[in-house]
Amino acid sequence: DAKTTQPPSMDCAEGRAANLPCNHSTISGNEYVYWYRQIHSQGPQYIIHGLKNNETNEMASLIITEDRKSSTLILPHATLRDTAVYYCIVRVAGSNYQLIWGAGTKLIIKP
Amino acid sequence: NAGVTQTPKFQVLKTGQSMTLQCAQDMNHEYMSWYRQDPGMGLRLIHYSVGAGITDQGEVPNGYNVSRSTTEDFPLRLLSAAPSQTSVYFCASRGPGYGLETQYFGPGTRLLVL
Repeated sequence: DAKTTQPPSMDCAEGRAANLPCNHSTISGNEYVYWYRQIHSQGPQYIIHGLKNNETNEMASLIITEDRKSSTLILPHATLRDTAVYYCIVRVAGSNYQLIWGAGTKLIIKP
Repeated sequence: NAGVTQTPKFQVLKTGQSMTLQCAQDMNHEYMSWYRQDPGMGLRLIHYSVGAGITDQGEVPNGYNVSRSTTEDFPLRLLSAAPSQTSVYFCASRGPGYGLETQYFGPGTRLLVL
């Protein structure tokens, strides 16, 4: 699975959109981009995933560049409860559990 | 449904002691796994199981044993605890889909080895 690179930390004002970048320049054609978050050392929580098209669900939007070498997770109206570590993971659909988790981005939402 | 449960929540061990971390799920999931998370780092896979009676090693299996005698339970055994095993341990399970979106994590067990 390809490796991902994320900034170690980011701030965002409450009520504004939080945009979290992820670089995955070595991604291959059959690898999906997944986002998880971990709030205050709880178990990770799934957010969204995509292959090449932009995706949106009730939690967030995922924008993947045309060359698929980077993506951005967007939380449209950040709240204080969105303060967490956000992980970007790339994996092959149908592969086993050999996943690589990076250190993620610590997102701090400020009032 | 209780989801994925883990016991104990917190444990202190002395070097050389052994113990078992318990994990149970009530969602009839075939796939279960154990991860460890060290401070400031992402999760690393220890062992996983694709069904009762079937287990396999992950990225960091040394010092740990697992077994899967039932669908519901997936205990993790530390054979002889070492300070390097001080970490937070997460158990996870997932349904039959291939995607991470079907994976559910337990609340974690915080282990301190002195």
